Amino acid sequence: QKEVEQDPGPLSVPEGAIVSLNCTYSNSAFQYFMWYRQYSRKGPELLMYTYSSGNKEDGRFTAQVDKSSKYISLFIRDSQPSDSATYLCAMILNTGFQKLVFGTGTRLLVSP
Amino acid sequence: GAVVSQHPSWVICKSGTSVKIECRSLDFQATTMFWYRQFPKQSLMLMATSNEGSKATYEQGVEKDKFLINHASLTLSTLTVTSAHPEDSSFYICSAGGGSQADTQYFGPGTRLTVL
Repeated sequence: QKEVEQDPGPLSVPEGAIVSLNCTYSNSAFQYFMWYRQYSRKGPELLMYTYSSGNKEDGRFTAQVDKSSKYISLFIRDSQPSDSATYLCAMILNTGFQKLVFGTGTRLLVSP
Repeated sequence: GAVVSQHPSWVICKSGTSVKIECRSLDFQATTMFWYRQFPKQSLMLMATSNEGSKATYEQGVEKDKFLINHASLTLSTLTVTSAHPEDSSFYICSAGGGSQADTQYFGPGTRLTVL
């Protein structure tokens, strides 16, 4: 079993839809959670960073963490074609530049 | 967010040659840098962790003599692929720890290596 599970997709939605991306993890010791967006042939770009259960909102993006269920989500409201990319969840055990553990990434396609 | 650059962005080389990739943190000091490789439609695979002024820590299965890492300053780390072979062709990405959020990593744009 992988430490972090993420559906690879692709997930296809029409423009304006609400997108839900999810990851589950097996190690309850993970404390810090991140979502990265990666466009084709580019490096990952940090979107959200959270460290506690609950919701964190930034513009059209909401990150949700449920540590009791070992489940994290990223919601994208009013999705745009420019949101088409691969979204990677990542987590670390604690602070201090620890090794990131990535999900496989979910490819999102937003059609006009 | 913090800015990390990589050079070159892509490189094609002949089998048996060595290739050096540079990773720079442009607006912050990075005590730790990470090197990843990524195959098409797959996630990032950590190769090694590089701390300024000390030897890199390699992940299991990564040949340290083949992938030489140097982190000589707080803004520069280099990865040298020695005696490259076609199976080394991949997308190499670095990340750096530091900047405005000290607990996370900022990624470079990646370097696409093709070995003929």
